[in-house]
Amino acid sequence: DAKTTQPTSMDCAEGRAANLPCNHSTISGNEYVYWYRQIHSQGPQYIIHGLKNNETNEMASLIITEDRKSSTLILPHATLRDTAVYYCIVRGASGGSNYKLTFGKGTLLTVNP
Amino acid sequence: NAGVTQTPKFRILKIGQSMTLQCTQDMNHNYMYWYRQDPGMGLKLIYYSVGAGITDKGEVPNGYNVSRSTTEDFPLRLELAAPSQTSVYFCASTLGQGNTEAFFGQGTRLTVV
Repeated sequence: DAKTTQPTSMDCAEGRAANLPCNHSTISGNEYVYWYRQIHSQGPQYIIHGLKNNETNEMASLIITEDRKSSTLILPHATLRDTAVYYCIVRGASGGSNYKLTFGKGTLLTVNP
Repeated sequence: NAGVTQTPKFRILKIGQSMTLQCTQDMNHNYMYWYRQDPGMGLKLIYYSVGAGITDKGEVPNGYNVSRSTTEDFPLRLELAAPSQTSVYFCASTLGQGNTEAFFGQGTRLTVV
């Protein structure tokens, strides 16, 4: 699995956009970028994923660079409830061991009032 | 549709005791995973399964065993509990075909004393 690199922690003011970066320079052509978050030791929660096009859903937007070596998760209007550890994961789609989800240490996002 | 259900939520074991952490999903997912998360750390993969009758080791399999006799259930067995196995355990599942999200249980908090 391609490895990812994320900042250890970030702060964001409530109501502002939170932009969380992730580097995945060894990503291969059939690997997707997934984002999950974990709020206070609950089970991780899926946010969004993408292959090469930018994606948006009700929770967030995902921007993937053209060379696919990095991506940014955007929470457009962060709230206090968005304080969590955010994990960027690269995962294959061709089956077998490619379906393993390998978590790094993630980014602790703290949203301040 | 309950998703991924883990039992028990909490357990205290004495050193050398054994126990089984239960995990069941009702989404007809092919892939299931067991993770452990130590305080302040990310999730580490213990075992995973790509379907009934098929299991494989993850990053930290020592001291654990799994079985997958049905699609729905993926129990994790601790045979001789040790203090190093004090952790929060998460079970997850995913359909396993294409680019699909993973669903996580709410965790089992295990303390070995």
